[in-house]
Amino acid sequence: NAGVTQTPKFRVLKTGQSMTLLCAQDMNHEYMYWYRQDPGMGLRLIHYSVGEGTTAKGEVPDGYNVSRLKKQNFLLGLESAAPSQTSVYFCASSYPGSNRIQFFGPGTRLTVL
Amino acid sequence: AQSVTQPDIHITVSEGASLELRCNYSYGATPYLFWYVQSPGQGLQLLLKYFSGDTLVQGIKGFEAEFKRSQSSFNLRKPSVHWSDAAEYFCAVWSDLRGGADGLTFGKGTHLIIQP
Repeated sequence: NAGVTQTPKFRVLKTGQSMTLLCAQDMNHEYMYWYRQDPGMGLRLIHYSVGEGTTAKGEVPDGYNVSRLKKQNFLLGLESAAPSQTSVYFCASSYPGSNRIQFFGPGTRLTVL
Repeated sequence: AQSVTQPDIHITVSEGASLELRCNYSYGATPYLFWYVQSPGQGLQLLLKYFSGDTLVQGIKGFEAEFKRSQSSFNLRKPSVHWSDAAEYFCAVWSDLRGGADGLTFGKGTHLIIQP
């Protein structure tokens, strides 16, 4: 099992460009999450999904859109990138139940110039 | 609202010495607490978790943590650190998101440096 994978690993954008980050999980998890990690800030939740076709806003959703067309995939989109979106983005997934453990992908380092 | 405080941004420890990383939380009910580790350039890996029961929990890589309700703390410990323990450590508290998903509120992290 690959667990949680993220594509791409690195990306440099110019201000105003758009891009999509892909997260895939092979653990049949219902819940998926997108976080951003900034120095000295820990991880903050951007958006999450409780199942195929559903999404919801997290703590810092502005400037991002998400889609969950397939259970195993969770896409994070930046329609018009801004330098403030320079960050490391992590995807995670979890399964309903009592363990409440999230499994994280390796991250995508995004730089917006 | 829940919150997590990790008072130490950086900690330097000599190899073979003992380690304690501090974590304080704010949560209305009985918390579910986690410690994650992030090695350079890697994602987050779960070290251990506390849900209920025994307040001293054992994790992977020789780590343990003790839940103290009276102090709202969940400190991480290791008796003897190895150079491979150099990493970023995050404490987190669980909360219920709308729709039943698992929310995690993270502390800002503690960067552990190991001196030879």
